[in-house]
This record gives sequence, C-alpha cells and structure tokens, in this order.
Amino acid sequence: RKEVEQDPGPFNVPEGATVAFNCTYSNSASQSFFWYRQDCRKEPKLLMSVYSSGNEDGRFTAQLNRASQYISLLIRDSKLSDSATYLCVVNYGSARQLTFGSGTQLTVLP
Amino acid sequence: DADVTQTPRNRITKTGKRIMLECSQTKGHDRMYWYRQDPGLGLRLIYYSFDVKDINKGEISDGYSVSRQAQAKFSLSLESAIPNQTALYFCATSSNTEAFFGQGTRLTVV
Repeated sequence: RKEVEQDPGPFNVPEGATVAFNCTYSNSASQSFFWYRQDCRKEPKLLMSVYSSGNEDGRFTAQLNRASQYISLLIRDSKLSDSATYLCVVNYGSARQLTFGSGTQLTVLP
Repeated sequence: DADVTQTPRNRITKTGKRIMLECSQTKGHDRMYWYRQDPGLGLRLIYYSFDVKDINKGEISDGYSVSRQAQAKFSLSLESAIPNQTALYFCATSSNTEAFFGQGTRLTVV
C-alpha cells in the first residue's frame, strides 16, 4: 500500500463546477499536510497547507480528518486556469521527509 | 534568481554513461531532496539529506548516488545510466511548512 494515495482522475469538469479531491495517508504519525499544484512539465508549487481545523483560501477549502487519515481539497466555481495536477503531500515521522501522492489531474472545460 | 536552480535543464545521454545533475538553493534550508517523476507515478523520492553529513536513501535509490557538497548544494549522479532512468528529475528544499522545487531536469537515456 502506498503511503499517500490519491485518485489519479482525470477529473473533467465544466467551468463553474465544484470539484473535490481526497487523499488518504497510511502513517498515523504524519504531522503536517499540504496540497501542491503542478502545471504540465512544471515544478510543483504550494497551493495551501492543511490545518486540523480546516482552512479556506478564496475558492479553495482544505480539510483534515486525522481519525480517518484523509485530507481533502474542494474547489468551488472552477476556472479554466485551475486545470492542473493536484498533489497531496504529507510530512511524517521523526525524519520529517515529504511524501507525495501521485497526483490528481483536473481539467476544467469551457 | 530562482530559489532552487537545477542544471542541466535537459540532457540526452547514452546507456552506460555517467551523468551528474546539480542543484543549488538560496533558501538557507538544511533539507534537500531529489525526486523523479514518471507519467502516472507521481513524484518518487530518490535521496534526501537533512544536513551536509546526513544522507538518506529514498524509495528508489538503486542506480543513483548523491553528494551534499555544502548546505546549498546537492547533486545526483547516475553512475551508469540506463533507459528506464529516463524521467523528469526535481530537486527540492524544504522548511517545516513548505517545499521549494527546482524547475526540473528532463533526462533521456538512449
């Protein structure tokens, strides 16, 4: 079993739609959580951190469920520019290395 | 100037050749990483380093070696390149809250 698992998609949604991605992690000692965005052939960049109480940044909402060991990302009112791959990232263990999910591909259609 | 710089950006090499990918960072972070990305497999960790004297194998270290020459420099070597090492390689550095990636090196082994 992978340490961080994501539905690879692809998710194809119309502009204006709401879309949600989930990510599960296997190590209960995981300490911090993030969503990264990666555009085609580009480097991943931080989209947002995920806090225990849940957090929102404009159209994006991230939530953490430690009991069930998953995190989620909700995108409201999707824009064409949201088309990208979204990577779930977990920072776990005493070594504090970053572990990436394989990513979920989103395409927002006009 | 980019926070994390990788050289070269693109490289084609022959099977059996030795090749080095270089990475330097200006963030002042202790932690540095090398990942490879293949279609459908996401980012996989090759090696990571938490300081100059601390080098650790990642998920897929076979066929690779690294050198942490200084806090700011972390190089990845393929001693004898093989075609299945054809991939996009990313160097990264991180704090507790965010990872910063280089722009990637596209390596093709023919």
